[in-house]
Amino acid sequence: DAGITQSPRHKVTETGTPVTLRCHQTENHRYMYWYRQDPGHGLRLIHYSYGVKDTDKGEVSDGYSVSRSKTEDFLLTLESATSSQTSVYFCAISNSGGEETQYFGPGTRLLVL
Amino acid sequence: QKEVEQNSGPLSVPEGAIASLNCTYSDRGSQSFFWYRQYSGKSPELIMSIYSNGDKEDGRFTAQLNKASQYVSLLIRDSQPSDSATYLCALDMTTDSWGKLQFGAGTQVVVTP
Repeated sequence: DAGITQSPRHKVTETGTPVTLRCHQTENHRYMYWYRQDPGHGLRLIHYSYGVKDTDKGEVSDGYSVSRSKTEDFLLTLESATSSQTSVYFCAISNSGGEETQYFGPGTRLLVL
Repeated sequence: QKEVEQNSGPLSVPEGAIASLNCTYSDRGSQSFFWYRQYSGKSPELIMSIYSNGDKEDGRFTAQLNKASQYVSLLIRDSQPSDSATYLCALDMTTDSWGKLQFGAGTQVVVTP
């Protein structure tokens, strides 16, 4: 398995609170991605990073921010959690972007009450 | 209108038979195509990638790409109960090689003994 960990693995929080999810890799891959997965929607890209401090928005970025201060860590922050952000969040890594396989982390289940 | 379409299933397949999964997409500029397998409660894992028209075989799996008709398919030969999972089609619809994938909602496959 690719060396990707996500923390926490499960979290319950209340509407309006900030939440930070962490993705940590030991593969030294350049590209990192955050997806959310909801029934009927498949995986949708939230934000991605193509290097340290280089990030950009994906398909469903509203209400989320990211930071990448080190190659190995990619943080996803829900600035003020809403019930619509209840989801399973997956981090993925890739060595060269476009044609390269993306390896997925184990996921974080987030419930916003 | 979804850009990547898959039948949600479930697709019930007798053990030993061929499972045929289809995926259609809207963007003719797509260059990279992937099939991921996802077991319930687990993260997606790559099965096949295909970049040019035609067939690509890997063990019991064959991916078929037809860019003119805008579809990509996956055949699973000699289906086994361990193939029971959700299969996700993913495309890189961008030309910037950042690996921004768009996923279909997935097809659930159930292999019956």
